[in-house]
Amino acid sequence: SQQGEEDPQALSIQEGENATMNCSYKTSINNLQWYRQNSGRGLVHLILIRSNEREKHSGRLRVTLDTSKKSSSLLITASRAADTASYFCATDAPNAGGTSYGKLTFGQGTILTVHP
Amino acid sequence: KAGVTQTPRYLIKTRGQQVTLSCSPISGHRSVSWYQQTPGQGLQFLFEYFSETQRNKGNFPGRFSGRQFSNSRSEMNVSTLELGDSALYLCASSLVAPQETQYFGPGTRLLVL
Repeated sequence: SQQGEEDPQALSIQEGENATMNCSYKTSINNLQWYRQNSGRGLVHLILIRSNEREKHSGRLRVTLDTSKKSSSLLITASRAADTASYFCATDAPNAGGTSYGKLTFGQGTILTVHP
Repeated sequence: KAGVTQTPRYLIKTRGQQVTLSCSPISGHRSVSWYQQTPGQGLQFLFEYFSETQRNKGNFPGRFSGRQFSNSRSEMNVSTLELGDSALYLCASSLVAPQETQYFGPGTRLLVL
């Protein structure tokens, strides 16, 4: 079952605009990671945010995490055509023993299209 | 540092056959996880290995198995292939896990006819 629900499912913007994608999850987490995937290829890691962090930045990316609402958002500023891809959030959630042992649970993803 | 590599990149098999996929993690990474990606089910966790031991397993039938070698390289095997096994199979490595960044390989695309 999917832990994360992503919103919107698809997003179409013009180059230079900002893109915001949201992710909601159901259980407590250790961390949340965002990935990008181009055309069914491998996943590229973007950012990892831990449960005790509220915001992280990396270049044009800004990720927020609200554990009280069980939600996260990914903001891409000044989008480029090369940002066109699917974006996934993935949660690392502890099992009953408090560990997750390498299991990430992914959302269905947001398809971002950036028009030149 | 070289990234995660997976071989082969593409594979075509027929129902009933078996297949073995290989994954070489980033040098120094000891944890390897496997995922299946399909249009209908999305990305689903198969299993994770660390120091040649399976530590975690997803909800897949016993036809799906894996192993890890002493050099951290991992293989997964699918026996008695079914049409529904057609998917992109991704492996990911991390330093130790849990709670660490997972770095993914390019995937092996399996088509079952």
